[in-house]
Order: sequence, then structure tokens, then C-alpha cells
Amino acid sequence: DTAVSQTPKYLVTQMGNDKSIKCEQNLGHDTMYWYKQDSKKFLKIMFSYNNKELIINETVPNRFSPKSPDKAHLNLHINSLELGDSAVYFCASSSAVNQPQHFGDGTRLSIL
Amino acid sequence: KQEVTQIPAALSVPEGENLVLNCSFTDSAIYNLQWFRQDPGKGLTSLLLIQSSQREQTSGRLNASLDKSSGRSTLYIAASQPGDSATYLCAVWGSNYQLIWGAGTKLIIKP
Repeated sequence: DTAVSQTPKYLVTQMGNDKSIKCEQNLGHDTMYWYKQDSKKFLKIMFSYNNKELIINETVPNRFSPKSPDKAHLNLHINSLELGDSAVYFCASSSAVNQPQHFGDGTRLSIL
Repeated sequence: KQEVTQIPAALSVPEGENLVLNCSFTDSAIYNLQWFRQDPGKGLTSLLLIQSSQREQTSGRLNASLDKSSGRSTLYIAASQPGDSATYLCAVWGSNYQLIWGAGTKLIIKP
């Protein structure tokens, strides 16, 4: 069973569109995260939720909005996609904020 | 501001060799340090986590050490195998609950 699953795996879309990436974890973890991995392979935290509450909200454009309907899900919605949004987005979860993080396989977003 | 550096950026060694990957960080006030591997087109797999009070952790052929005072961690891989080929990432937990990442070391093990 996949512990942290993201869908879709690949997302190709036009500039200006709105899209969502879904993340689900079946580990019973309280904390979930979204990361963006840029072309130089750096991972940057975007958001973190603990028990459905937002605890980290880095300086990302407000076009990005996370939604946590329950502890097991943290979805990422992006409005008005721009070329610079092209990247791999990773979802992760951990049992608590400073415990080992388990990652999904990533979603490769390409903006045309 | 915490910065994490990994050296070398890339490493290619013959199968069977023991090797060391390095990670350094600028702020010693960390909660823990975590090593990951990333396979091409895949997610990240957690390898080892060292709490700030610990000096090392071992898992199979992997051993990670932590020296907070000097801002260094090493990942030792014994008897390397082609399946160890991947990018290895180091990340430190700093203040405000953030993982700060290095850029990774791309490791190639030649059969």
C-alpha cells in the first residue's frame, strides 16, 4: 500500500488555467506538507498543516491555496498558472512536526 | 539564516567501494537532521534521521553521523552496490518547523 500518494503524477496545462493536485496519506500522521522542487533540485517548503491547521505558510503567491478536508488529505489548488510554476511538487507527511517525513512520488507540473 | 551544503555535487565510484557523503549546515541550532535518497522521477525515501542529541544512526550498510558543534553530518555507505545509485539529500530541521535542504549529491555506482 502506498503511504503517501499524489495525483496526478504528471500535469501538463496552459498558462492561465486553474489546477489541483491531490495528496493522501494512510499513515495516520498528523502533519502534512507541500514542497516545490526547482530545476536545481532544491526543495522549498510551501505549506504545512498539523491536524488540519495551517502552521507553515511560506512566501508563495496567493494563487496557491492548500486545502485540508481532514488529517489524511492535503490538496493544493493553483489559480492562474504561470510559466514559473513549472516544477515538481512533493507532498509529505510526518507523525509530528519534527519527526521523519514520508514523501509522495511527486507531481511534475509543466506549463505551456 | 540556515544554509545546507552538500559536497560533492556528484560522485562516481566502482561497485564495492566504501564512500562518504558530506553535509554541512551554518546554524548549529537544529532539532534533527535527515538523510534521503531520490531516484530519478521518483519521490524521496527517508534513510536515516538523527536527533540533535544523537551522534549517529545506522541502518544496514548506511551510517550517518552528526557533529552539531562543527555543523557537519556524513553519510557512510559500505560496500556500495549499483542499486545505491541515486541522489542523496540532506535536510535539517531548524526553527519554525522547517526542513532546510541541501542540493544533493548525485551518486553513480559503476558495476
